[in-house]
Amino acid sequence: QKEVEQDPGPLSVPEGAIVSLNCTYSNSAFQYFMWYRQYSRKGPELLMYTYSSGNKEDGRFTAQVDKSSKYISLFIRDSQPSDSATYLCAMTTSNYQLIWGAGTKLIIKP
Amino acid sequence: NAGVTQTPKFRVLKTGQSMTLLCAQDMNHEYMYWYRQDPGMGLRLIHYSVGEGTTAKGEVPDGYNVSRLKKQNFLLGLESAAPSQTSVYFCASSYSAGSGKMNTEAFFGQGTRLTVV
Repeated sequence: QKEVEQDPGPLSVPEGAIVSLNCTYSNSAFQYFMWYRQYSRKGPELLMYTYSSGNKEDGRFTAQVDKSSKYISLFIRDSQPSDSATYLCAMTTSNYQLIWGAGTKLIIKP
Repeated sequence: NAGVTQTPKFRVLKTGQSMTLLCAQDMNHEYMYWYRQDPGMGLRLIHYSVGEGTTAKGEVPDGYNVSRLKKQNFLLGLESAAPSQTSVYFCASSYSAGSGKMNTEAFFGQGTRLTVV
């Protein structure tokens, strides 16, 4: 079993919809949780990060961590075609080695 | 500001050939990483470095070697390429003391698409 599980999709939604992307994990020692966005044929770029449990909001994006359930989510409001990309979750304990999910491919239909 | 630059961007190798992938960063980052990305597998860490002159093995180090002789450069070598090493390779760097950025915020290069035939 992988340490971090993420549905690969693809997830296809109409423009303007609310998108929910999720990861589950098994290591209770993880403290830092990140979401990276990767456009086709590009390197990943950091979108949001959260320390420990709780919510964090940045514009149309909200990251949520539930450590009791070992479950993290990324919500995208008012989704745009430009949000079409692969979204990777990543997490770590207190060091610099990230453990990655496989990524979810998101398609926003105009 | 170039960020993280990888060369080459594409390469086709024959089985048994060797090659070196170069990664350069201009952000004065301490940590550098080499990942491979395969469909359905996500990013897997090959080797990493926590400072000039240091290297360490990651999750999938077999068949690869690395060197970090200068802080800004991290080289990944394939001594005898195998078809199983066909992948997209990403270099990343993170952490600069005093930058205010956490050490887990990694900046990635554009990737190198390697095919071994």
